[in-house]
Amino acid sequence: AQSVSQHNHHVILSEAASLELGCNYSYGGTVNLFWYVQYPGQHLQLLLKYFSGDPLVKGIKGFEAEFIKSKFSFNLRKPSVQWSDTAEYFCAVNRKGTYKYIFGTGTRLKVLA
Amino acid sequence: NAGVTQTPKFQVLKTGQSMTLQCAQDMNHNSMYWYRQDPGMGLRLIYYSASEGTTDKGEVPNGYNVSRLNKREFSLRLESAAPSQTSVYFCASSVVGAGEHEQYFGPGTRLTVT
Repeated sequence: AQSVSQHNHHVILSEAASLELGCNYSYGGTVNLFWYVQYPGQHLQLLLKYFSGDPLVKGIKGFEAEFIKSKFSFNLRKPSVQWSDTAEYFCAVNRKGTYKYIFGTGTRLKVLA
Repeated sequence: NAGVTQTPKFQVLKTGQSMTLQCAQDMNHNSMYWYRQDPGMGLRLIYYSASEGTTDKGEVPNGYNVSRLNKREFSLRLESAAPSQTSVYFCASSVVGAGEHEQYFGPGTRLTVT
């Protein structure tokens, strides 16, 4: 079955620490890739997306992600986190040409001030 | 431009009761989706509508029905609510589902079934 794995379920960091959240998917074929963020009490918002081209994509708020096709991975990074980055982060995959988006189980990030 | 709106925000039902969750978008999007979010399970697709007049099952359709009333509105109905349907429900839309477009999400409906 097609799936998206986020291995880090809970991450706690101090402000200014670097962040990397893992995302792996099990689709064959070409895919569109997304990272969404859900701040406490809010709905999901798009952080960044990859459709094609440069595998290193930059999103809002200083986040970036790298698509490594050979590893079926799309890891999210931020060099220096802030307290306001406390949120839940979801990786999502859409197989090109289809309507379904499959989400990972999410990673809860807590940043200590 | 309100984006994606959902009503109600909160709802408590007794087992066996029915209700309809409403979703509307004002972005002229073609595709609309219903997800449920449960702790530790991420978002799971219940139903989606690729375009007006079509609906299809997602991962977890059992116990739900949907109606794509028009291009703007996509409702989710629970005919006989069960405690296992306690969840947060999100509606989403995208310009064209089978393409290079992200989804836009509504604020969610928190449903408790007792």
